[in-house]
Amino acid sequence: QVQLQESGPGLVKPSGTLSLTCAVSGGSLSSGPWWSWVRQPPGKGLEWIGEIWHTGATKYNPSLKSRVTISIDKSKNHFSLNLSSVTAADTAVYYCATKAAASPFHYWGQGTLVTVSS
Amino acid sequence: EIVLTQSPGTLSLSPGGRATLSCRASQSVSSYLAWFQQKPGQAPRLLIYGASTRATGIPDRFSGSGSGTDFTLTISRLEPEDFAVYYCQQYAGSPPWTFGQGTKVEIK
Repeated sequence: QVQLQESGPGLVKPSGTLSLTCAVSGGSLSSGPWWSWVRQPPGKGLEWIGEIWHTGATKYNPSLKSRVTISIDKSKNHFSLNLSSVTAADTAVYYCATKAAASPFHYWGQGTLVTVSS
Repeated sequence: EIVLTQSPGTLSLSPGGRATLSCRASQSVSSYLAWFQQKPGQAPRLLIYGASTRATGIPDRFSGSGSGTDFTLTISRLEPEDFAVYYCQQYAGSPPWTFGQGTKVEIK
């Protein structure tokens, strides 16, 4: 069974870049599924950020597309999220998750809280 | 973007009761609809996919129905561990994948 673990700074300054990594075990990034990021502001609902295929192909939420980059490192078996020009509205729990074609998000990491504050 | 609207926002029920949650899509998603359960401090847990198929290990008191734009999650007899927030998610066609705003099932 695939296991996912997010890591990265818990505090980012406004206008800075949020950077997170998702370590994958029990599965290989050299094949499918889609490797995804989802976020959840405190007390609010879930928002899909984007996803990456093992080929490096990416898909992003149009609402965040101008600020998001998702990349993959097969040698380290992890994938990463960069979100630039952050504001307090980007404060959220960030989850990595897996999603196969025509499937929902099956496996999730435990999530990591990122706070945007000076 | 496909918008999912869940109702009610909060459902107050007693253990042993029956919960009926609704999810309505702004356009047809066929049967590409999933339901998740989320407890405080935890990641969402997949309950139902394909509108009506239970995920591995999910008790049969959870059932899903519907297709097109109208979907229902039913919990036949509420156990104490079922009090949580429930989200629907659509994965029809192409991104962005979207979630409903959630229904909280609380103890009455």
